[in-house]
Amino acid sequence: AQSVAQPEDQVNVAEGNPLTVKCTYSVSGNPYLFWYVQYPNRGLQFLLKYITGDNLVKGSYGFEAEFNKSQTSFHLKKPSALVSDSALYFCAVTYTGRRALTFGSGTRLQVQP
Amino acid sequence: GAVVSQHPSWVICKSGTSVKIECRSLDFQATTMFWYRQFPKQSLMLMATSNEGSKATYEQGVEKDKFLINHASLTLSTLTVTSAHPEDSSFYICSARSGTSGGSRGYEQYFGPGTRLTVT
Repeated sequence: AQSVAQPEDQVNVAEGNPLTVKCTYSVSGNPYLFWYVQYPNRGLQFLLKYITGDNLVKGSYGFEAEFNKSQTSFHLKKPSALVSDSALYFCAVTYTGRRALTFGSGTRLQVQP
Repeated sequence: GAVVSQHPSWVICKSGTSVKIECRSLDFQATTMFWYRQFPKQSLMLMATSNEGSKATYEQGVEKDKFLINHASLTLSTLTVTSAHPEDSSFYICSARSGTSGGSRGYEQYFGPGTRLTVT
């Protein structure tokens, strides 16, 4: 069985400061990892993914994430937060042979001006 | 590219009636579509997976006779909530995936904007 944990319900950061949203996973086999962002009453927007290759993945809007196999983590990062980054962020995982994504519980990011 | 639309974006219906939600992939062929349900301030819960031309696979605990899914073409899947009740009120989101396997794009899902259903 696969699972995703996002240990923080909410992350608060000041504009201009670096941000990290944490994600750990459990899956049998090689994981395929994703980050999505959701704005109020909207669907999910794709940010980035790790399938294979470089552990550091760069995505949309200046976000990046680092795949750490030994720690089974895939934390989302951004060097300098913007107020417009305030939203709900979801980490998701799947693996070879499975079509559906398993989502974490979500982390609300609040960037204060 | 890779745009998924949903219609309607919101709907209010009376208890006991049925509601149909459409999910369309606008610029690609979606061999697989997924339907999720999201409660307020909660994560997405996978309801079912559907492949074009075959029966949907429902997740444990999801009533297949209540949530009817049809994936009649490579660009359209529909979710019908039959005999809706207030507890069915939720935000329903679909996603679509192109290709069947292999390569990194085979695992990427594109999400629709969601449909908010309110049953009174």
